[in-house]
Amino acid sequence: AQSVTQLDSQVPVFEEAPVELRCNYSSSVSVYLFWYVQYPNQGLQLLLKYLSGSTLVKGINGFEAEFNKSQTSFHLRKPSVHISDTAEYFCAVSQTGANNLFFGTGTRLTVIP
Amino acid sequence: DAGITQSPRHKVTETGTPVTLRCHQTENHRYMYWYRQDPGHGLRLIHYSYGVKDTDKGEVSDGYSVSRSKTEDFLLTLESATSSQTSVYFCAISGTSGDTGELFFGEGSRLTVL
Repeated sequence: AQSVTQLDSQVPVFEEAPVELRCNYSSSVSVYLFWYVQYPNQGLQLLLKYLSGSTLVKGINGFEAEFNKSQTSFHLRKPSVHISDTAEYFCAVSQTGANNLFFGTGTRLTVIP
Repeated sequence: DAGITQSPRHKVTETGTPVTLRCHQTENHRYMYWYRQDPGHGLRLIHYSYGVKDTDKGEVSDGYSVSRSKTEDFLLTLESATSSQTSVYFCAISGTSGDTGELFFGEGSRLTVL
């Protein structure tokens, strides 16, 4: 069985400050990891994904995430946030060979002017 | 943007009535998914399809059925809606298997069961 934990349900941060959104997963087998973003009244869209190779993954809009196998984490970071980054962010995991993703409960990022 | 259309976008219905949500894609993708989104639960998979007439259950499939008679359409049916099925429903598609592929989401269908 696999699961995803996003410990922070809400993260307020001032504009141009750095941010880290935390994601931990549990799985007994190899996994693939994803971050999705959901803007208000829209569907989700992919920010970045880790399948293999370099543990530091760069995505769209200046976001990056680091896969840490020993800590079973995949935290999302951005060095300087903008107002437009205000959204809900979902971490997701899939088991290799599976046909679907398991999503975390989401972290609502609010950027304060 | 991926060509995914969900209908209806909003629906209010009463307990015990049947409801069908439709997902239509123009991408000819093999995999289609139905998720529900609820506060505190994130997105949970209801059912998915890996081809015409090929479907499988997700983690919250009780009370739901699906059908896929054409590549482009994936229907989600609530045979007898209950208040616990009030939610936002998202359809997603993928051209490759769900483990490595990117999912493209529709804009959601908000269902309220009174």
